[in-house]
Amino acid sequence: DTGVSQNPRHKITKRGQNVTFRCDPISEHNRLYWYRQTLGQGPEFLTYFQNEAQLEKSRLLSDRFSAERPKGSFSTLEIQRTEQGDSAMYLCASNKDSTEAFFGQGTRLTVV
Amino acid sequence: QKEVEQNSGPLSVPEGAIASLNCTYSDRGSQSFFWYRQYSGKSPELIMFIYSNGDKEDGRFTAQLNKASQYVSLLIRDSQPSDSATYLCAVKNYGQNFVFGPGTRLSVLP
Repeated sequence: DTGVSQNPRHKITKRGQNVTFRCDPISEHNRLYWYRQTLGQGPEFLTYFQNEAQLEKSRLLSDRFSAERPKGSFSTLEIQRTEQGDSAMYLCASNKDSTEAFFGQGTRLTVV
Repeated sequence: QKEVEQNSGPLSVPEGAIASLNCTYSDRGSQSFFWYRQYSGKSPELIMFIYSNGDKEDGRFTAQLNKASQYVSLLIRDSQPSDSATYLCAVKNYGQNFVFGPGTRLSVLP
């Protein structure tokens, strides 16, 4: 399977715990995006990387959220001190240069 | 004003009919436009993209772009029950970020 891969697919955590998600993009793709989606809404942009550089971060993104792409390949998204409002589907997408983006299966986070 | 707007629906069409999905955007600098389909509980999958004014056809799907009116649409011909899903319009600007609309729920009735 050469598509975008996200792990885990599902995560249930207690409020206040930290969680980390991983995204492996399509191998030749230099751009990687993180989105969050809640029920009935479109994907909401969080941040994006070109290679290892984080080029844009949403103003709406709390400082509890941090993302890395240390070697320009896979990326991690960490949420510290999770809150119930963080419950959502976290989507990763990748593309090469300015082409269309392809999404992974997503990680569904439930904060209890 | 939201950057990308879509009618949330649901839009119901009978099987075999043409479904017309519309999207407007606010940033005149937007360069490229995408339609994604999302089944319930799944991630978005790309249907097609369009960069230039006019129509672009791919099988049963036609994307239409009018930059002067800041309007992009998706037509689905010969709609099938398997087309029932949420259709997301996405717009990319110079910032290289994809901005999504809220999506339109389409229901194709057998």
